[in-house]
Amino acid sequence: DIQMTQSPSSLSASVGDRVTITCQASQDINNYLNWYQQKPGKAPKILIYDASSLEIGVPSRFSGSGSGTDFSFTISSLQPEDVATYYCQLYTKVPPRVTFGGGTKVEIK
Amino acid sequence: EVQLVESGGDLVRPGGSLRLSCTASGFPFGNYWMSWVRQAPGKGLEWVAGIQGDEYEKFFAESVKGRFTISRDNAKNSMYLQMNSLRVEDTAIYYCARGWDWYFFDHWGQGTLVTVSS
Repeated sequence: DIQMTQSPSSLSASVGDRVTITCQASQDINNYLNWYQQKPGKAPKILIYDASSLEIGVPSRFSGSGSGTDFSFTISSLQPEDVATYYCQLYTKVPPRVTFGGGTKVEIK
Repeated sequence: EVQLVESGGDLVRPGGSLRLSCTASGFPFGNYWMSWVRQAPGKGLEWVAGIQGDEYEKFFAESVKGRFTISRDNAKNSMYLQMNSLRVEDTAIYYCARGWDWYFFDHWGQGTLVTVSS
């Protein structure tokens, strides 16, 4: 199975800072990668699908990029309401598998 | 408004069985893939299983294959997860999630807690 390495596992940044999270797949996964936000005590929420497409209703300060094995997720200007854990999620069609990254906990400095 | 409500979580002994339910509203249930994703206490997310709208295709994570089955009743807007031969490592919050394909989760329920312990 394809492995996913997400980094960092946690970060602390100031309001207004640019924040970047990366995910690296062990094999080429094309653009089969999604990003989710999970606030404490809540269910996850889809932010980005197919590596770079913004889900409807998600603020434009969130963005994703990458293809193949290397992907990144960026918050252009960190806001207090962005405190959460962020997960990347890859999928393969043959065999059908979904794998989540280990998560990145984002806090305000 | 899309709503997904899970139920059926409980404390169960290792080797036991449990059936989870997910009841949906606010969208044409039969048109969507439905999935189960779990999260062990303090840990990350793990996809468990997915079922196509017409039940034609079902997919399972290797960790639950042969022990868990997934089903749905479109007339009742409901999906189910039958969990057999439960293990301590199956302890988690189980989320029900909707998607236009099996690998995409655009709406989630609030989860139901399954605890496997002696």
